[in-house]
Amino acid sequence: KQEVTQIPAALSVPEGENLVLNCSFTDSAIYNLQWFRQDPGKGLTSLLLIQSSQREQTSGRLNASLDKSSGRSTLYIAASQPGDSATYLCAVRPGANSKLTFGKGITLSVRP
Amino acid sequence: GAVVSQHPSRVICKSGTSVKIECRSLDFQATTMFWYRQFPKQSLMLMATSNEGSKATYEQGVEKDKFLINHASLTLSTLTVTSAHPEDSSFYICSARDQAGRAETQYFGPGTRLLVL
Repeated sequence: KQEVTQIPAALSVPEGENLVLNCSFTDSAIYNLQWFRQDPGKGLTSLLLIQSSQREQTSGRLNASLDKSSGRSTLYIAASQPGDSATYLCAVRPGANSKLTFGKGITLSVRP
Repeated sequence: GAVVSQHPSRVICKSGTSVKIECRSLDFQATTMFWYRQFPKQSLMLMATSNEGSKATYEQGVEKDKFLINHASLTLSTLTVTSAHPEDSSFYICSARDQAGRAETQYFGPGTRLLVL
């Protein structure tokens, strides 16, 4: 059974800092991995999707990497801003039509 | 981009009543919709997968008679929590798969906060 872990559960950093959010998964046989952002009391916004054949994806100040063999992904946020404060969830999909398995998320607070 | 809406955004009800939550895909057709539940500080847990015109597929441990799902059209799925109890209080999020897009493309709704008193 696939398990997705995100540690730590919460992180607080000063504005401007570059930071890395970690995600690990137990079964390396995945189809893709996705990072989402969730604001308090809101739904999910997809940030980046990495296919199993890819090593990384970039969007603006965000960069996500994938190392399938070690079961790890990282989300790198450059020059963090208070508006980046949210919960970041990692999810893996075993196959094209398979369901997503989510981690519990990392709640990020960026202090002005 | 694709938009999924949910209604209501929050609901408070008395124990024993039934609550219906609607999930709509606004600018695309969704043959498959997913219903998730999220408790505070916890991950999203898939409750069921609904396919337009057929019965929903429930995850292990989810009572199908308590959480009724109807997916009558390509743009609407409803989740009815029957005889709600305080332990059903949670954040319910739906997600829709674009029929015309890649199979793994899912768009998420804004969620519905249910509080059962």
